[in-house]
Amino acid sequence: DIQMTQSPSSVSASVGDRVTITCRASQGISSWLAWYQQKPGKAPKLLIYAASNLQSGVPSRFSGSGSGTDFTLTISSLQPEDFATYYCQQTNSFPYTFGQGTKLEIK
Amino acid sequence: EVQLLESGGVVVQPGGSLRLSCAASGFTFDDYTMHWVRQAPGKGLEWVSLITWDGGSTYYADSLKGRFTISRDNNKNSLYLQMNSLRTEDTALYYCAKDANLGGHYFDYWGQGTLVTVSS
Repeated sequence: DIQMTQSPSSVSASVGDRVTITCRASQGISSWLAWYQQKPGKAPKLLIYAASNLQSGVPSRFSGSGSGTDFTLTISSLQPEDFATYYCQQTNSFPYTFGQGTKLEIK
Repeated sequence: EVQLLESGGVVVQPGGSLRLSCAASGFTFDDYTMHWVRQAPGKGLEWVSLITWDGGSTYYADSLKGRFTISRDNNKNSLYLQMNSLRTEDTALYYCAKDANLGGHYFDYWGQGTLVTVSS
């Protein structure tokens, strides 16, 4: 199975900050990567697909980059509604696997 | 509006069986691959299974080892997950998710989940 490792596991930041979350795959996955946002008590929401494509309706402050084994999710200017847990997911090969999550907290 | 409504989650004893259902609306159900994803309490996300639009292909997480079976009824716009030989580690919120059909298996709509608790 492909292991997905996110860093950091948690991060504290302030409104207006720029935040970057990293996801590393244990083997190459081309660009078969998605990012999801999950708020407490809610289902996850698709933010980015195919590593760098913004899902319809997602604010442009979210962006994704990378290919192969190393990927990043960047939030350019944090808004209050962005405080949540973020997960990466590979869909290169079965079984599909998620990272362990990165909790973004208010400083 | 796309809606996915899961049901069937209950408290069940180890070794027991359960069938989860997901009722879909707001899109052409038989055009899309569908998925189950689970989340243990306080833990991360785990992909469980996939079924193609016609039910012709199914895939599972290795950890399930043949205990779970995914199926669908396109006439009823419904997705199912038959869960057998349940273990305490299967305790989780089970989400039904729609494939985004964006060239990879990404999940663009999710239900609110149904809670399965495996406990004696």
